[in-house]
Amino acid sequence: DADVTQTPRNRITKTGKRIMLECSQTKGHDRMYWYRQDPGLGLRLIYYSFDVKDINKGEISDGYSVSRQAQAKFSLSLESAIPNQTALYFCATSESGTIEKLFFGSGTQLSVL
Amino acid sequence: GENVEQHPSTLSVQEGDSAVIKCTYSDSASNYFPWYKQELGKGPQLIIDIRSNVGEKKDQRIAVTLNKTAKHFSLHITETQPEDSAVYFCAGGAGSYQLTFGKGTKLSVIP
Repeated sequence: DADVTQTPRNRITKTGKRIMLECSQTKGHDRMYWYRQDPGLGLRLIYYSFDVKDINKGEISDGYSVSRQAQAKFSLSLESAIPNQTALYFCATSESGTIEKLFFGSGTQLSVL
Repeated sequence: GENVEQHPSTLSVQEGDSAVIKCTYSDSASNYFPWYKQELGKGPQLIIDIRSNVGEKKDQRIAVTLNKTAKHFSLHITETQPEDSAVYFCAGGAGSYQLTFGKGTKLSVIP
C-alpha cells in the first residue's frame, strides 16, 4: 500500500463547483503539504501544515483552502473552481525536526471545464 | 524570494552516455538542494540532495555538485539506462517548506 494516498486520482468538474481533494498518510509524519504542478512550471506550494493546529499559506494559496483533520489527513478544497485551476495536484509529507525529504503521493489530475 | 532556473528543459542521450542537468539559484540564504525524479503517472521521488557545506555528493551512478560562489548546482548521471528516462526537478531553499523547484528536465535515454 502507498504511504501517501491521494483521492481521487482523476476528477473533472465544472466552473463554480466546490471540490475537495483528500490526502492520507501512514508514514507518521507531522508535516504535510499540497503542491500544484503545471506543465513547464514545476511544482508550486499551495499550503503546508506542521501539525494539526498549524496551517500556513504557500506561494499560491489564493482560491484554495485546506483542513488538517488529523495527523494523517490533509485535504485541499477549491471553493469555486475555475479553469486555470486545472492542474496536477500533489500531497507530500516530511518528518519534523530533521529535514527535508519530501514523500509525494501519486497525484490528482483535476480538470475544470 | 528564491528563484531556481533549470536547464535544459529536454535532454536526449544514448544509453550508456552521461547526462548533466544544471540549475542556478538566486538566494544566498538557500542551503539545501535536492533533486527529484518523476516517472510517468507517479509523484516525484527524492534521488539525491546536497547541503551548502558540501561540494559534491555521489550515490552509485548519480552525483550532484554545488558551487556556492556561482550559485549553481548540477546533477550528473553516468552510464545512463532506459529506466533513467523521467522528468527531473531541482530545488533550492532553506527548509522543506521553503523549497523552490525548477521547471523540470525531461530526460529520454535512447536504447
